[in-house]
Amino acid sequence: DTAVSQTPKYLVTQMGNDKSIKCEQNLGHDTMYWYKQDSKKFLKIMFSYNNKELIINETVPNRFSPKSPDKAHLNLHINSLELGDSAVYFCASSQDRSLAEFFGPGTRLTVL
Amino acid sequence: AQSVTQPDIHITVSEGASLELRCNYSYGATPYLFWYVQSPGQGLQLLLKYFSGDTLVQGIKGFEAEFKRSQSSFNLRKPSVHWSDAAEYFCAVGGPNAGKSTFGDGTTLTVKP
Repeated sequence: DTAVSQTPKYLVTQMGNDKSIKCEQNLGHDTMYWYKQDSKKFLKIMFSYNNKELIINETVPNRFSPKSPDKAHLNLHINSLELGDSAVYFCASSQDRSLAEFFGPGTRLTVL
Repeated sequence: AQSVTQPDIHITVSEGASLELRCNYSYGATPYLFWYVQSPGQGLQLLLKYFSGDTLVQGIKGFEAEFKRSQSSFNLRKPSVHWSDAAEYFCAVGGPNAGKSTFGDGTTLTVKP
């Protein structure tokens, strides 16, 4: 059983498009996260979401928006994609709000 | 502002040798400290975490880390490295809310046969 799953695994799209990445966790955790890892492997947290409370990293452009239909899902929607958005995006979950404990396999986004 | 420094970009050790990966942090209060490992093409896996209490923390896969407040360090150690330990290792610092956590730039570990 996969604890944290993401779809798609790869996403190639043109500049200016809008795209979504889906994330699901089957661990019953209360908190979910989105992280961005750039080509130099630098990791940055983008959002954490806990019981409808959204914590946003202030450096994240408002073109990025998380959407949570229920506790097990936290999808990432990106508007007007830019070249600099190309990266690997990781979803994660935890029961403890202080850290991300289980990570998904990542979605490699390439913007052309 | 909080920060994490991993001074070693790349470390190579022989299989069976001991390992120490360095992590220095800057944080305004008592830090929450974490080590993660990332194998090629994979997501991250939490190795261990420190919130409070005993400064020597045991983790998975035979790893341990020691919190030294006076040195602002949280170094990761393993007494005997296995070839499967070759990966990228990330140290992170934060507080009660992971939304405010900061990652180091990572250390790439290569294991020689």
